[in-house]
Amino acid sequence: SQQGEEDPQALSIQEGENATMNCSYKTSINNLQWYRQNSGRGLVHLILIRSNEREKHSGRLRVTLDTSKKSSSLLITASRAADTASYFCATALNTGFQKLVFGTGTRLLVSP
Amino acid sequence: DGGITQSPKYLFRKEGQNVTLSCEQNLNHDAMYWYRQDPGQGLRLIYYSQIVNDFQKGDIAEGYSVSREKKESFPLTVTSAQKNPTAFYLCASRPQVAVNTEAFFGQGTRLTVV
Repeated sequence: SQQGEEDPQALSIQEGENATMNCSYKTSINNLQWYRQNSGRGLVHLILIRSNEREKHSGRLRVTLDTSKKSSSLLITASRAADTASYFCATALNTGFQKLVFGTGTRLLVSP
Repeated sequence: DGGITQSPKYLFRKEGQNVTLSCEQNLNHDAMYWYRQDPGQGLRLIYYSQIVNDFQKGDIAEGYSVSREKKESFPLTVTSAQKNPTAFYLCASRPQVAVNTEAFFGQGTRLTVV
């Protein structure tokens, strides 16, 4: 079964707007990671946040983690058409930490 | 260049045949993974390996088999027992020694049953 569930499933915005995606998970984790996938391609790692961290930034990306609610959010600020892709959260579980489990993904469309 | 390579990019299989998907990495990573992705869906874990000569079943291992004879290689065989094998298959690797590490992905193999 998939550990993470992303919300919304799809998001359509205009260039310059911010995009927020949420991820909920079920069990204790070591870390949570966000990945991007362009259509028909492999995944590319964006950012990793450890279980003892609450917020992390990387360029236009901001990730938050709330372990009490078992949820995370990814914010992309000042979006560009090139940000159009699917975004997935992945959790590295506390038991058997090398097992990396992905969520269902959010499809983001950024229109010029 | 260091990276993870999957081959072939496209693969067609007749019903009843076994096929093997290749995954090779030169990143010196200990852990390797196979995922299946169906259209518009997330990734589901098939098998993973943390060390040579050892591997674990993921969530959807039925109808698949793997081997890990070398650190660099983690081939996936889709057997005739897999009832619905048409999908996009992704291989990934991660370092073993550090817990908080990212995964590196290949570009995927699209398997179609004809």
